[in-house]
Amino acid sequence: QKEVEQNSGPLSVPEGAIASLNCTYSDRGSQSFFWYRQYSGKSPELIMFIYSNGDKEDGRFTAQLNKASQYVSLLIRDSQPSDSATYLCAVDNAGNMLTFGGGTRLMVKP
Amino acid sequence: EAQVTQNPRYLITVTGKKLTVTCSQNMNHEYMSWYRQDPGLGLRQIYYSMNVEVTDKGDVPEGYKVSRKEKRNFPLILESPSPNQTSLYFCASSFVSGSLSEQYFGPGTRLTVT
Repeated sequence: QKEVEQNSGPLSVPEGAIASLNCTYSDRGSQSFFWYRQYSGKSPELIMFIYSNGDKEDGRFTAQLNKASQYVSLLIRDSQPSDSATYLCAVDNAGNMLTFGGGTRLMVKP
Repeated sequence: EAQVTQNPRYLITVTGKKLTVTCSQNMNHEYMSWYRQDPGLGLRQIYYSMNVEVTDKGDVPEGYKVSRKEKRNFPLILESPSPNQTSLYFCASSFVSGSLSEQYFGPGTRLTVT
């Protein structure tokens, strides 16, 4: 059973701080990694994707991938109250299925 | 506007009464998928389709059927719904190019089976 693990949280950070969200996965053959944001009662929306080891930056968001440690993270700089949501890590193992983690609930306090 | 649509958005039904949840996308995506989302269990894949007439089981296919007769549509069928299928259901679609690209999600269908 391929697994993707996330701390459910809630992770609480003050406005303007860096939020660090972590995800580990079990399948070493995993190829693609995605971070989705989901507001309560809404559908998931893609924030970042990363395929190669290292960092990938997009605005206030940075995804980090370490395949040797089977670890992917998402950093949110200058966190805003509007970033308060559940963040889902997803892993594509073989080009045909996404396995999602349970999500981490982030709360950004003004 | 590029989008994935699902109908109905809300449905309350009784045990054993067959139902279909429709999903349609207008982006010419090859890949379509159904997920269910339950508190504490996250998003779990039910079925997926790599293209027309090609479907495969996800992690939790029991009690569900799908079909892919046209590229844009991917209905989810519950032949005999049971209370444990009460959940929030999402349809998603994406291009496929070696690996899955960004998946676009529909707005969700909240199903209650009594």
